[in-house]
Formats: sequence, C-alpha cells, structure tokens
Amino acid sequence: GQSLEQPSEVTAVEGAIVQINCTYQTSGFYGLSWYQQHDGGAPTFLSYNALDGLEETGRFSSFLSRSDSYGYLLLQELQMKDSASYFCAVNLRGKLIFGQGTELSVKP
Amino acid sequence: KAGVTQTPRYLIKTRGQQVTLSCSPISGHRSVSWYQQTPGQGLQFLFEYFSETQRNKGNFPGRFSGRQFSNSRSEMNVSTLELGDSALYLCASSPGESNTEAFFGQGTRLTVV
Repeated sequence: GQSLEQPSEVTAVEGAIVQINCTYQTSGFYGLSWYQQHDGGAPTFLSYNALDGLEETGRFSSFLSRSDSYGYLLLQELQMKDSASYFCAVNLRGKLIFGQGTELSVKP
Repeated sequence: KAGVTQTPRYLIKTRGQQVTLSCSPISGHRSVSWYQQTPGQGLQFLFEYFSETQRNKGNFPGRFSGRQFSNSRSEMNVSTLELGDSALYLCASSPGESNTEAFFGQGTRLTVV
C-alpha cells in the first residue's frame, strides 16, 4: 500500500523559515504535491514535483528525492496567515494519497 | 471562472438513512474525485470519475457510490448511514489525465446522528 509520514505539528515565528518533511512508502507515482488547508476551508494547491529537485513558487519551495523517498515543503518569510495545515500527497493517475497533515502555527 | 461548487454545505442525517452529495467541477474539467476528511483518518480517497467512467476507487465499502454525468457534474451517494460516516466530504476537479493540480470545493459537512 501507500503511506506518507509528516510531522503532526510545527511551530515557527513570523519572518522565519520552516521546512515540513514528508517521507513516503509508495512507488509508481507521477509526482509529489503539497496542499494548504486553513480551518474550515478547502485544500488549495501549493506546489508539485514531478522530477527530483527543487521547485520554487514565490515564498514556497518544494523538493523531491525519489531515491530517498523523501520530499519537503519550505516556507520562507513566514506570515501569520501561513498558519494552516499542510499536506503532502502522491499523485497516482486520477487520485491523490495524502499524508496526515502538518499543523503549522506561526507566532508573532 | 467559477470554482468547484459542492451542495449542500451542511447536512444532518439519521443512522440508516441515505444521502446524495453533489459536485459541479470547474468548467472544462473532466476529472472529478471525492475525498472523505475526518480528524482521525485525515484525507482519504473515495473514487474518481473521468468522462463519466469510474477510473479509480478507494478502500471504502459498497455503501459509498458515485456517478458522473455528461456535463462532468458528479454525485456521490452513501446508503445506510453509520455514525462513522460523519465527515467533511470534499470534491476535487482536474482538467484531465495527469491531474497535476486538483481544485477542491468547500466540501459538504455531513453529520450522522
């Protein structure tokens, strides 16, 4: 089966950099995605890695290493509005298998 | 461009009843997938439809079913509701085959009493 592991909680201060790791046990997937979900809201797409390496989108970057079965999401210049849950997910054709999510708390 | 619309937003049902949830994808998107979100189990894949055909199915009992219409709108049905079916049901749409990015609706909050 497929499983993804991420830390359940991370706390950081405004303006700092935080890294959320995701390790997985799966194969044959198209890529690794990251989604953000605020309380009561819909998950929203942040980033996608089809190939190994770093993808940068503004303050957010994501990394994938298939050989290490590992990826991470890097958030820079943290803002209070970044407080949310972050999910990694493997893309299989037509479906996403999600990790349990990491709750990020940004403190002033 | 309108986003993914799910109706209703909130629903309260009694054990043993059945329920139908609706999802209208983004215009032009042909893939619609459904997820169940609970505090204990997280986000779990239910099924995915592409051009009216079920392409993928998650590990849920047969009480959970769905369909997709020719206009890509989708419905999911849960029969013989159990207390454990209380959850946020999320629908996501994607343009087509690879689904690099999924666009989620606000979800339907189902409470079974």
